[in-house]
Amino acid sequence: ETILTQSPATLFRSPGDRATLSCRASQSVRRNLAWYQQKPGQAPRLLIYDASKRATGIPARFSGSGSGTDFTLTISSLEPEDFAVYYCLQGNNGVFTFGPGTTMGI
Amino acid sequence: QVQLVQSGAEVKKPGASVKVSCKASGYSFSSYVMYWVRQAPGQRPEWMGWIHAGSGDTKYSQRFQGRVTITRDTSANTAYMELSSLRSEDTAVYYCARGLPNMDVWGKGTTVTVSS
Repeated sequence: ETILTQSPATLFRSPGDRATLSCRASQSVRRNLAWYQQKPGQAPRLLIYDASKRATGIPARFSGSGSGTDFTLTISSLEPEDFAVYYCLQGNNGVFTFGPGTTMGI
Repeated sequence: QVQLVQSGAEVKKPGASVKVSCKASGYSFSSYVMYWVRQAPGQRPEWMGWIHAGSGDTKYSQRFQGRVTITRDTSANTAYMELSSLRSEDTAVYYCARGLPNMDVWGKGTTVTVSS
């Protein structure tokens, strides 16, 4: 099973700041990595898939990069609604695992 | 619009089974995979398995192998997830999510509480 680790566990920023979140896989997942945002009481929301492609309706301030084992989600200028938990998800050979999450706090 | 509507909350006793439904609308049901993901309180989401709604092919997480069964009814555009031999640790919100392969549309979740 491919294990994902995320860093940092918590990231404190202010609106307007830039935020960089990291996700590392225990083995190569090529570009089969997605990023999700989750707010309390809601289902996860797809932000990025295939490591760098923005999902439909996702603002351009969200961008993803990386391949193999190291991936990054960047939020260029935080809006108040961006304070949430962010998970990475890999899907190698039809088997999926989520990372432990990064909490974006003010 | 694309929508996944899940069945209502369940309370079960240890050892029982639960079956959660997920009715799809707004897209070609048989052309997509349906995933099932659960999330225990304060924990990360956990993938349980998927079904290709067209072919009926399934794949399950090893963690749930033998306890979970995912099925679908193409005439009703509905997918089902049944989890057996419930224990307290299965208390969680259970989600269905459409994918091909990315989980791009999610249901609102079904809370399953296991308690004696």
